[in-house]
Amino acid sequence: GAVVSQHPSWVICKSGTSVKIECRSLDFQATTMFWYRQFPKQSLMLMATSNEGSKATYEQGVEKDKFLINHASLTLSTLTVTSAHPEDSSFYICSAGWQGGSTNEKLFFGSGTQLSVL
Amino acid sequence: GNSVTQMEGPVTLSEEAFLTINCTYTATGYPSLFWYVQYPGEGLQLLLKATKADDKGSNKGFEATYRKETTSFHLEKGSVQVSDSAVYFCALILTNFGNEKLTFGTGTRLTIIP
Repeated sequence: GAVVSQHPSWVICKSGTSVKIECRSLDFQATTMFWYRQFPKQSLMLMATSNEGSKATYEQGVEKDKFLINHASLTLSTLTVTSAHPEDSSFYICSAGWQGGSTNEKLFFGSGTQLSVL
Repeated sequence: GNSVTQMEGPVTLSEEAFLTINCTYTATGYPSLFWYVQYPGEGLQLLLKATKADDKGSNKGFEATYRKETTSFHLEKGSVQVSDSAVYFCALILTNFGNEKLTFGTGTRLTIIP
């Protein structure tokens, strides 16, 4: 099946620094990419949806200036957590959609990034 | 709003035991229901799905039946193997004229011991 590569898988950073997470579709062109976040004992929550070449659409309550999403090509999307704080510590996971991603069989997930902010 | 509630883990079973992971949902319409599995170091993969009431999804020996009357989609397997150790996520999509977003449960970590 299709492969989505996400890295780093684990990162520790100091409070106030920025962290970039990459999500690559390795063998298909992802027209849509989704970024999710999961706090301990909570559900995976959609943060934002991005279409290649367009600005991301953020879910309610997600700060777009803090979580910068770039989807400059059909195979790469990045999530940058700017000025990270301990409350941003979470598990972040991306998924890449093919041909609009409107049918969930065409959604392929990365392996996730565990972010710890000290 | 839409939500998915699944049993908290972790769940530890012996090989060949019977598995049930409970999942219930709340939705304002008629959702499609899914189970995803995440093996260590890998991304989430679709395990099975059901798109309407009384449908049964099945794959790799796992089954789940869409029960509208109890708003449930419990995952079952008759005889688990060590290779089934993973995190399992229940999820739903409520089709809304193109605004289709996956709503996930919290995930249940399953460990099978030989």
